[in-house]
Amino acid sequence: GAVVSQHPSRVICKSGTSVKIECRSLDFQATTMFWYRQFPKKSLMLMATSNEGSKATYEQGVEKDKFLINHASLTLSTLTVTSAHPEDSSFYICSATSDEAYEQYFGPGTRLTVT
Amino acid sequence: GEDVEQSLFLSVREGDSSVINCTYTDSSSTYLYWYKQEPGAGLQLLTYIFSNMDMKQDQRLTVLLNKKDKHLSLRIADTQTGDSAIYFCAESKDNYGQNFVFGPGTRLSVLP
Repeated sequence: GAVVSQHPSRVICKSGTSVKIECRSLDFQATTMFWYRQFPKKSLMLMATSNEGSKATYEQGVEKDKFLINHASLTLSTLTVTSAHPEDSSFYICSATSDEAYEQYFGPGTRLTVT
Repeated sequence: GEDVEQSLFLSVREGDSSVINCTYTDSSSTYLYWYKQEPGAGLQLLTYIFSNMDMKQDQRLTVLLNKKDKHLSLRIADTQTGDSAIYFCAESKDNYGQNFVFGPGTRLSVLP
């Protein structure tokens, strides 16, 4: 099946700094990428949907100035958590799909810890 | 609104069958999925079923769909310790597998 990678797999950053998470589709062109945040006992919450070359569509309640999403190419999307706070600590998962695929392919996730 | 519910925990003995249940509210759901998440990892698609089907079998996995009751179940036969994970039910309304709504996940513990 299709492979989606994320980098880094784990990151620790200090409060107030910014951190960037990359999501790459390794063997297909991802026209659409999704960013999810995983909350304990609340499953995966969709944060935003990004289409290559256009601005991301954010879900209600997600601050677009805090969670910057860029989808500059068909194989790469980035999520930047700006001015991180401890409550931003979470597991962030991306997924990707293409015009030909009917399913989403999920990345392995990135564990962010803000100290 | 859309809502997907699952019980949060399930324990079974190795070799027994596991049945993980899911209910959803959106009757226009087109696809229903089961994903597996192992500790510290992302999601792995286990299986999916179209809304016009009522059963799908894939090796040890059996998916049953009761569209009238909006109830989906995943049965794992001969459960092994390697099946210990969190299992997410998800629904999608469109034909491209997008616009997912996930359940909270069921943590399956397999006891020796």
